[in-house]
Amino acid sequence: DIQMTQSPSSLSASVGDRVTITCQASQDISNYLNWYQQKPGKAPKLLIYDASNLETGVPSRFSGSGSGTDFTFTISSLQPEDIATYYCQQYDNLPPTYTFGQGTKLEIK
Amino acid sequence: EVQLVQSGAEVKKPGESLKISCKGSGYSFTSYWIGWVRQMPGKGLEWMGIIYPGDSDTRYSPSFQGQVTISADKSISTAYLQWSSLKASDTAMYYCARHSALGGWYDYWGQGTLVTVSS
Repeated sequence: DIQMTQSPSSLSASVGDRVTITCQASQDISNYLNWYQQKPGKAPKLLIYDASNLETGVPSRFSGSGSGTDFTFTISSLQPEDIATYYCQQYDNLPPTYTFGQGTKLEIK
Repeated sequence: EVQLVQSGAEVKKPGESLKISCKGSGYSFTSYWIGWVRQMPGKGLEWMGIIYPGDSDTRYSPSFQGQVTISADKSISTAYLQWSSLKASDTAMYYCARHSALGGWYDYWGQGTLVTVSS
């Protein structure tokens, strides 16, 4: 089974800061890595798919990069509405498996 | 507008059965896989399984195989998640989500159904 290690588990930053979250896969997953945002009491929301593609309607301050085993999610300038928990998610097709990272809780300093 | 609307919160006793639902609208329900995701209180997301409503092809995470049953009724655009005998450890929020046709991500999510199992 592929394991996903996401870090940090929590993060405190100021409005306007650049924020970076990393996700490491236990083996090569190519670019099969997605990022979600979950605000308190809400369902997850897709932000980035296939490592670096911004979902329609998502602000351009969110970005993703990486391939193979190491991936990065970045918020270029943190906004108050970005307070949430962020999850990476890898997928494989044969057989279909989807594994989420442990999550990163982002707070405003 | 694509929407997934889940059934309401449930409170059950250990040993009871339960079936929760997820109704899709605004798209061709039979053409997209629907997945189910568990979130235990204060914890992260866990993928449970997925169904293709067009032909009811169903796949399960090994962690949930035999513990739950996923089904769908395409005539009413609804997917289901059911338990035959609930345990306290099944207490969680359960989300359904539409699997993108383009790749392995979930592009639309239901609002979640909170299941509480307590004696």
